[in-house]
Amino acid sequence: DADVTQTPRNRITKTGKRIMLECSQTKGHDRMYWYRQDPGLGLRLIYYSFDVKDINKGEISDGYSVSRQAQAKFSLSLESAIPNQTALYFCATSDRKDKGETQYFGPGTRLLVL
Amino acid sequence: AQKVTQAQTEISVVEKEDVTLDCVYETRDTTYYLFWYKQPPSGELVFLIRRNSFDEQNEISGRYSWNFQKSTSSFNFTITASQVVDSAVYFCALSEADDYKLSFGAGTTVTVRA
Repeated sequence: DADVTQTPRNRITKTGKRIMLECSQTKGHDRMYWYRQDPGLGLRLIYYSFDVKDINKGEISDGYSVSRQAQAKFSLSLESAIPNQTALYFCATSDRKDKGETQYFGPGTRLLVL
Repeated sequence: AQKVTQAQTEISVVEKEDVTLDCVYETRDTTYYLFWYKQPPSGELVFLIRRNSFDEQNEISGRYSWNFQKSTSSFNFTITASQVVDSAVYFCALSEADDYKLSFGAGTTVTVRA
């Protein structure tokens, strides 16, 4: 089984709808991240969480919110989706005990906002 | 300011040719970490290697090799005797010891033709 899972894997929604993307991990890592990928822009950090009570904005947090329900679960919400949020979204995890903290990524969620 | 620059947008080679991907980074930290990730057409992000700023020893792993040079702030990646399965987008990334957030380059698309 995959260490980092994301649901759904694909989602089509309409402008103005609320949508939640979920991430779960079995790696036992304390840190979790949400990124979006757009063609030609690499990955950009939306939010990150160093533990359940420590949540921080990344470089492009506007229009998004997150919830860290447990150490293993980190959800990303789009409160009112807009077309320019169409992207590939990745969840990642890292272990603070790992000097250098390699991040391990989930399979991604493809989101299309019409 | 962009911290990681991958100047090559696309590279196309014939199978068995060598491919070198360039990565130039920018940081003021003395302790930092550099990464390469691979994104095959299926979309997932696969971690390939991490190098620490205090270890400039270059590494070879099978057909992959990495050349880390602090003097030129470069962390280049070479695929020797490329294969069709090497076709993917390759991302270089940087994290700094003060926060461990990853900054990604825009990626280089490698196409290996049979």
